[in-house]
Amino acid sequence: LAKTTQPISMDSYEGQEVNITCSHNNIATNDYITWYQQFPSQGPRFIIQGYKTKVTNEVASLFIPADRKSSTLSLPRVSLSDTAVYYCLVGDLNGAGSYQLTFGKGTKLSVIP
Amino acid sequence: DSGVTQTPKHLITATGQRVTLRCSPRSGDLSVYWYQQSLDQGLQFLIQYYNGEERAKGNILERFSAQQFPDLHSELNLSSLELGDSALYFCASSPRLVTIDNEQFFGPGTRLTVL
Repeated sequence: LAKTTQPISMDSYEGQEVNITCSHNNIATNDYITWYQQFPSQGPRFIIQGYKTKVTNEVASLFIPADRKSSTLSLPRVSLSDTAVYYCLVGDLNGAGSYQLTFGKGTKLSVIP
Repeated sequence: DSGVTQTPKHLITATGQRVTLRCSPRSGDLSVYWYQQSLDQGLQFLIQYYNGEERAKGNILERFSAQQFPDLHSELNLSSLELGDSALYFCASSPRLVTIDNEQFFGPGTRLTVL
């Protein structure tokens, strides 16, 4: 099973850029890297997904180096509403031939006024 | 709003009882997934259905079962409930059978409390 490692928690001030790095040393050739955001008592929400290099959407950027053994989620100019848990996931091919999402502990981001 | 609905929002019951949680996926989504989130275990994948058929099993206990109906809604049945089953149960859906670039849409969850 693919495994990810990310910091347990991070603090940031409002207006700063936040970078959360995730390591996935045993990522497989076909695996995509996906990030989800979860607010307390709500279901996770898809943020961004990538395979290599850089992906950007309206809320975040994802940087993936050539070896793909790590990835960095970048949140520009965070606000208090970005306080949440952020999960990094890689493809997890199970015994039935399907990919399932395996959530780790995530990174709890606290944005400080 | 993800488009996934779950009922009930809250459920309080006693040990030994049986409950049913219901999920309606986004319109057109064929895959439904169930997850359990507790404070000590984090978010764990339980089971997946695709177009009425079970496709993948995660850490689902034998006391738990699920099904997906022809109208694509799904139900998660929890029986012989124990205190440790108290958790948030999430349903998610996606358009297709899980592929490597799959995005899942999560519902608001059902909070189960077993007393």
